[in-house]
Amino acid sequence: GENVEQHPSTLSVQEGDSAVIKCTYSDSASNYFPWYKQELGKRPQLIIDIRSNVGEKKDQRIAVTLNKTAKHFSLHITETQPEDSAVYFCAARPNSSASKIIFGSGTRLSIRP
Amino acid sequence: GAVVSQHPSWVICKSGTSVKIECRSLDFQATTMFWYRQFPKQSLMLMATSNEGSKATYEQGVEKDKFLINHASLTLSTLTVTSAHPEDSSFYICSARVDKPGTQYFGPGTRLLVL
Repeated sequence: GENVEQHPSTLSVQEGDSAVIKCTYSDSASNYFPWYKQELGKRPQLIIDIRSNVGEKKDQRIAVTLNKTAKHFSLHITETQPEDSAVYFCAARPNSSASKIIFGSGTRLSIRP
Repeated sequence: GAVVSQHPSWVICKSGTSVKIECRSLDFQATTMFWYRQFPKQSLMLMATSNEGSKATYEQGVEKDKFLINHASLTLSTLTVTSAHPEDSSFYICSARVDKPGTQYFGPGTRLLVL
């Protein structure tokens, strides 16, 4: 089955700097890659997603890139702010007929003031 | 946006009792819902996929007789933890899938503590 690996497990960046989180997946048939942000004790919130027919997607300070050949995708947050501090999860959907998604292990992002 | 509610938000129960958790999609119909379990500082582990009108599909290692799932309508799925034990204590989160484009939206979670 699909396996999603995520790095790093923790990340601390200075406010205003950029943060990058990387994920790899194993199933080449995976076609949908969402990213979720989870604050302590709260539900995961979808922040951006990308489909396999697109190489890059951007939404204000957040961007995601996808390399299908290498089977990896990354989340980029620019001009980080204190409210960006949270746990971020990448995920992959194995194929179009199965609707479940498999999560990575998560990255705890801390923004230093 | 799509809103998913979950009830109760937290529950404390004695070992051996059963606990039912409800997951509702408030402003859309969801033929597919998912149940996850999350231990502290860990990722979300998929327990089962709940399909309206049919039996749930359980992930490997999840006991279907212990975690009963019912998806009787397009807006409601329930998870019943039967004969709960302390090791079942966890954060249980559901999600509901919007058929098009297939995005999943999560409920607020239910924190279960079994004494």
